[in-house]
Amino acid sequence: GAVVSQHPSWVICKSGTSVKIECRSLDFQATTMFWYRQFPKQSLMLMATSNEGSKATYEQGVEKDKFLINHASLTLSTLTVTSAHPEDSSFYICSARALGTGKTYEQYFGPGTRLTVT
Amino acid sequence: GDSVTQMEGPVTLSEEAFLTINCTYTATGYPSLFWYVQYPGEGLQLLLKATKADDKGSNKGFEATYRKETTSFHLEKGSVQVSDSAVYFCALSGTGNQFYFGTGTSLTVIP
Repeated sequence: GAVVSQHPSWVICKSGTSVKIECRSLDFQATTMFWYRQFPKQSLMLMATSNEGSKATYEQGVEKDKFLINHASLTLSTLTVTSAHPEDSSFYICSARALGTGKTYEQYFGPGTRLTVT
Repeated sequence: GDSVTQMEGPVTLSEEAFLTINCTYTATGYPSLFWYVQYPGEGLQLLLKATKADDKGSNKGFEATYRKETTSFHLEKGSVQVSDSAVYFCALSGTGNQFYFGTGTSLTVIP
């Protein structure tokens, strides 16, 4: 149980175009999902918290107009990188929060999406 | 605020060696503690967790004990294998259930 998928797993786009990444919880409902960015050999940087039916909460320094997040249902959150530039190339990982064993919240991670902007 | 400090890598070990990756935390209240593993090109997978002091999480031969007195959650394995080569992240879930991750420790096990 508690599987999170991401689509696509790898995308190459041209500078100036927009790219949408989907994050789905496959066998559970997630009112809260998170979007992370990971640079090579570095830790995860939380970009934003996505709550179903409301606006996402962005971390300091993350441009909300550039990284559009929509969480329209309890099983789907999308991240759209608008007007992508080469510096946006990165590994984007989503996670969904759910109650795990012991009634504590756990995060279940998607496999990640590698974005390359040329 | 809440935070996690993790031993810097990279760590290179021979097969069957003993592994320790140190992790200490700062938190208000009583956080839950986690170890995640990331294999090359993949997302993060939960390796083990502990939700209260003195709890020991274990999985696949890895263990970590929640030590409140030393605010630590060190990861150990008695005999590593080549297949354990990955990046390991320590994390905590504190007040508000927000997660905080360490910087990750890269482990390479050589035959």
